[in-house]
Amino acid sequence: GAGVSQSPRYKVAKRGQDVALRCDPISGHVSLFWYQQALGQGPEFLTYFQNEAQLDKSGLPSDRFFAERPEGSVSTLKIQRTQQEDSAVYLCASSVYGETEQYFGPGTRLTVT
Amino acid sequence: SQQGEEDPQALSIQEGENATMNCSYKTSINNLQWYRQNSGRGLVHLILIRSNEREKHSGRLRVTLDTSKKSSSLLITASRAADTASYFCATPTNFGNEKLTFGTGTRLTIIP
Repeated sequence: GAGVSQSPRYKVAKRGQDVALRCDPISGHVSLFWYQQALGQGPEFLTYFQNEAQLDKSGLPSDRFFAERPEGSVSTLKIQRTQQEDSAVYLCASSVYGETEQYFGPGTRLTVT
Repeated sequence: SQQGEEDPQALSIQEGENATMNCSYKTSINNLQWYRQNSGRGLVHLILIRSNEREKHSGRLRVTLDTSKKSSSLLITASRAADTASYFCATPTNFGNEKLTFGTGTRLTIIP
């Protein structure tokens, strides 16, 4: 497909487990963003990549959160030792460099029990 | 943290009526965007208005921007059941084309 894809769509993790969330951006999009959306709230910025360079990770809530984009395309958001407060929808978005409009994937709903 | 707030938080109207939702933001911006989010799905970009524009139209959408009041409004005319969704305003942070800061959203329900 031509859009941003994310997998898995749903993930249930026991507290303390590690999880990895994948994002496939639109082909050719240089910029990639991760957002966290709590129930009933707007998305909140986590981190931003330009190609493989992570230019901004100011939104990552703790050092348990780690993101990478080693080849400048697919990105993975990893959460170590998950906690209940990590339960949220994790959204990935990509955009053309220099363009402000972002294209969002469907998100991964993470539930930590 | 959220940049601003949408008002109202929730809105229910009859199909065919117009829906208006408002957004307030806190810092200076160079553009403001509106996104729609259907239940359980990602966000879809609707319209962008630049800081030097006061009004913009796209199909049944009309957006206004008042930079002196740091507010924007989104009007959807002749609403349809398919317009049922959450609507968010968003502004680029740091005056650049980078991360977006979203408002809290308006949940719109169109009653057939």
